[in-house]
Amino acid sequence: SQQGEEDPQALSIQEGENATMNCSYKTSINNLQWYRQNSGRGLVHLILIRSNEREKHSGRLRVTLDTSKKSSSLLITASRAADTASYFCATPKEEYGNKLVFGAGTILRVKS
Amino acid sequence: DTEVTQTPKHLVMGMTNKKSLKCEQHMGHRAMYWYKQKAKKPPELMFVYSYEKLSINESVPSRFSPECPNSSLLNLHLHALQPEDSALYLCASSQVLTGTDTQYFGPGTRLTVL
Repeated sequence: SQQGEEDPQALSIQEGENATMNCSYKTSINNLQWYRQNSGRGLVHLILIRSNEREKHSGRLRVTLDTSKKSSSLLITASRAADTASYFCATPKEEYGNKLVFGAGTILRVKS
Repeated sequence: DTEVTQTPKHLVMGMTNKKSLKCEQHMGHRAMYWYKQKAKKPPELMFVYSYEKLSINESVPSRFSPECPNSSLLNLHLHALQPEDSALYLCASSQVLTGTDTQYFGPGTRLTVL
């Protein structure tokens, strides 16, 4: 079964606005990762947050993790047209050799 | 150099053809991965190699045959594919297979099976 599920499935905002995407998961995790994928291209790692961390920042990105609710959120501040992409959360499954299981993803469109 | 390269970028093949996808990295990573991604879906893991040995096979049909000739190179041999195998095939690598390492992805090979 899918470990991470994201919402919303799609998000359309104006340039300069903030975008928030959420990810929920079912079992306990060691860490949670966020990746970005531009249309038809490979994925790019954005940020990793460990299970003992609650918040992490990287540039315009802010990730939070709530292990009690088994959820994470990715906030992109002051969005740009270049942020248009699909965003996936991913969690490693230790019992399956640490393979990454990706959520369904959120498609973000930033209009200029 | 944090690049994973994949060739070819696009591939069209018939159901009776044999072709290969190639992936290369020069970051000294010892874990390499093949993923399959259908349109508007997340990547699905197919195979993982750790220190050139097959570590994970996600019950992939035998018409897909992976090969890791050395620590920098990963191949995916394709034979007698079906139209439903048409997808974006992504290669990735990470330092080791621990679950806490960043995976670096290549740009993918867009495969169309006629």
